[in-house]
Amino acid sequence: VLTQPPSVSVAPGQTATIPCGGNKIGYKSVHWYQQRPGQAPVVVLYDDGDRPSGIPERFSGANSGDTATLTITGVEVGDEADYYCQVWDSSSDPVEFGGGTKLTVL
Amino acid sequence: QVQLRGSGPGLLKPADTLSLICTVSGASVSSNRHYWGWIRQPPGKGLEWIGSMSHRGNTYYNPSLKSRVTMSVDASTDHFSLKLHSVSAADTAVYFCARATIGAAGNWFDAWGQGTLVIVSS
Repeated sequence: VLTQPPSVSVAPGQTATIPCGGNKIGYKSVHWYQQRPGQAPVVVLYDDGDRPSGIPERFSGANSGDTATLTITGVEVGDEADYYCQVWDSSSDPVEFGGGTKLTVL
Repeated sequence: QVQLRGSGPGLLKPADTLSLICTVSGASVSSNRHYWGWIRQPPGKGLEWIGSMSHRGNTYYNPSLKSRVTMSVDASTDHFSLKLHSVSAADTAVYFCARATIGAAGNWFDAWGQGTLVIVSS
């Protein structure tokens, strides 16, 4: 089970931190998705902190112990979206998604 | 650039079988580096993985849905499909087809279809 807070609020230009809790998640590879309203999710980080092409350096990640974290620095209005963490360690294991966190940019 | 496009009926009755197809362009379902699968999202709720499979036929299903799910991949046409049997109102959701990259430490979904809304109602 991956646990995320339902919502996080931050002012423009500030730093948003979104946690994803799970038992010994630090031993697993965590991936993060951004989903804007009415759109399909887009991966913003994979393997804890690697950014796909086109994702700004403002997006970073960390993973240790029982918590993985997505950090967005210099938050912009366009970052307002739902964010999901995901783990799929071994192809024979079920894919897990966190419940999602709605990021509101005040 | 890979593109996925899902298609299928948007309205079903309880006990029907949901059938969706995903058309892949810009990539091949025969890739050994990827899985092809489905994820759904009930209205206003989070993401739920349904299942994924390789072109070789290796299939991986959500245990909670496994008994009702059938998936297939057609390498000759670069399509893959989902069948969900005996649907109920609880299966009402947007269904996304998605490609997963097989990484060294884990797998992630790097390409998604636009989503197909399926409503189950009598």
